[in-house]
Parts: sequence; structure tokens; C-alpha cells
Amino acid sequence: SQKIEQNSEALNIQEGKTATLTCNYTNYSPAYLQWYRQDPGRGPVFLLLIRENEKEKRKERLKVTFDTTLKQSLFHITASQPADSATYLCAKAAGNKLTFGGGTRVLVKP
Amino acid sequence: NAGVTQTPKFRILKIGQSMTLQCTQDMNHNYMYWYRQDPGMGLKLIYYSVGAGITDKGEVPNGYNVSRSTTEDFPLRLELAAPSQTSVYFCASSPPGQGGSSPLHFGNGTRLTVT
Repeated sequence: SQKIEQNSEALNIQEGKTATLTCNYTNYSPAYLQWYRQDPGRGPVFLLLIRENEKEKRKERLKVTFDTTLKQSLFHITASQPADSATYLCAKAAGNKLTFGGGTRVLVKP
Repeated sequence: NAGVTQTPKFRILKIGQSMTLQCTQDMNHNYMYWYRQDPGMGLKLIYYSVGAGITDKGEVPNGYNVSRSTTEDFPLRLELAAPSQTSVYFCASSPPGQGGSSPLHFGNGTRLTVT
């Protein structure tokens, strides 16, 4: 079965620094990986999608990489701000279904 | 657009009771999904639908039923509620896309407690 794993430990980071989150998957590489943000008491919100043949994707202060050799995606928040504090989820598709990792909680301290 | 709307926001059920979680979307999306999220855990897929009249099981379908009679609505039915069904339930929708190319739009969840 497909597994997708994220670091379950919370990431505490100082404002202005870069937060780096890891997403590892097993079995075949998906055509796409997706990243979501989830705030307490709310549903996940889509952030970025990266294709298998894209090494890197950027959106404002966010950057995602996709390494099919390592079976890994990295998610970077540069110049982090307290408002970036949330849980970040990665997701891998199998057919029409998305399988989510457990999420990594990020806390940005001023 | 309201996006994906879930009702109720909160519910407490006694063991053995049944209920329906409502989900509606106004984006004309073909695909709809039900996930559950346990504390500190990721989302687990319960059921999904690729269009009206078509539903399929996800990873954890036992104890649940769904129907999809319209594009807009995708209710989730719990029969004979059990404490193991205590969770937060999220409905999501997306336009069609191959291999995960379409982002999901989520509602804000229904928090269900079974005691």
C-alpha cells in the first residue's frame, strides 16, 4: 500500500528563518505531489502542486522540491513569519484518490 | 461562491445512534471526497465519488455509507455509531484531473463525538 510520511515532531523556528519540512513516500513516484496548510479547527487549504518532472516550484515565499530518486519532497518557507504557524500536509495521488501524510506542525516565534 | 459547506459543525451521538453528515459544493466539481482526521493524525479517505451516481470505497469505509444523487451533494451516513467513529470529518471536492493534478477544496469539518 502507499505510504506517505512527514516528520511528526513540531518544528519551532525563529521569525525570519527558513523552515524546511520533509515528505517521504514509498513505492512508485506519483505524477504529482500536493502541499496543504491546515489551521486549527479549519479544513486544509491547497498551497502548491509539483509535477514529477519538475525539480522545483515556487510561490511567493514558498518553495517545493521533488526528488524521485530519494522519493522525497521538501517544502521550504523562507523569511518565515508568525502568521505561517500552522500544520502543513503533503499528499500523493493514486488514481483519483489523494493519500495524505500526518502533517508537520510549524510554530514561528517572533 | 460558498465553496464546500458542511453541516453540522459539531455533534454528539450516543453509541448505536445514526446520523447523516451533509456536504454540498457550489463549484460544479465532479469529484467529491470524505475524509476523517483523528487527533494528531493525517486524513484518511472514507469514500469518494467521481460523479453523480458513482461512489467508491476509500481506505476506511467500514461503518459508513454514501450516496451521490446530484453533482452538488455528497452526504455521509453513519449507522450504529461507535466510539471509534469519534473524529473530525472533512468533505472535499475537486474538478476532474488525472493522477492528482487537481487540488482539493475542503470544507471546515464536522466534529463528531460518540459516547
